[in-house]
Amino acid sequence: DGGITQSPKYLFRKEGQNVTLSCEQNLNHDAMYWYRQDPGQGLRLIYYSQIVNDFQKGDIAEGYSVSREKKESFPLTVTSAQKNPTAFYLCASSIDARATSIQPQHFGDGTRLSIL
Amino acid sequence: AQSVAQPEDQVNVAEGNPLTVKCTYSVSGNPYLFWYVQYPNRGLQFLLKYITGDNLVKGSYGFEAEFNKSQTSFHLKKPSALVSDSALYFCAVRSSSGNTPLVFGKGTRLSVIA
Repeated sequence: DGGITQSPKYLFRKEGQNVTLSCEQNLNHDAMYWYRQDPGQGLRLIYYSQIVNDFQKGDIAEGYSVSREKKESFPLTVTSAQKNPTAFYLCASSIDARATSIQPQHFGDGTRLSIL
Repeated sequence: AQSVAQPEDQVNVAEGNPLTVKCTYSVSGNPYLFWYVQYPNRGLQFLLKYITGDNLVKGSYGFEAEFNKSQTSFHLKKPSALVSDSALYFCAVRSSSGNTPLVFGKGTRLSVIA
């Protein structure tokens, strides 16, 4: 079945450590997204990529980095500069990111990141 | 700028009663509107969308939503609630012009009581 796979499901970070969250999709979608979810704050966009080797900052990109070397993969690194990384992280994809696209986003099941 | 407001953090409804989850939006130009549902420790699942045409949109699991341009609203409705409908619901919007990403509301937690 086609879908989005996020791993690991749970992740713990030590102070000063960078960690990388994996997101893989086999839907052949062009666009991929990373969101952060905190209780009562909904989903906030961290980064998005509309095509391989290109990505744009979202609303809360500080302390995060991404790469898009392959169409199916969009890993997110939470750097030590992100002082409050504890959250639920969701990866999503859509066929394309153009405004004319009316296709919904498909989501993975998330990674819950906590600080040790 | 695009924005979405879900004015209720929590909605409680008895099983079998109709339910409404409210959403209002602000965009430049015409909106594309979406509703998603999230169950605990899972990703979001698409329920329905409004792009153009009929103001009443039907979606998955018996849900529907009514687009009201004058009130800039897109409320989610279901005629008869089930306990299994208990979840977190998100409204999202993007403009039909430009190339800005989808903007999500803060979510409304629906509790259906048996």
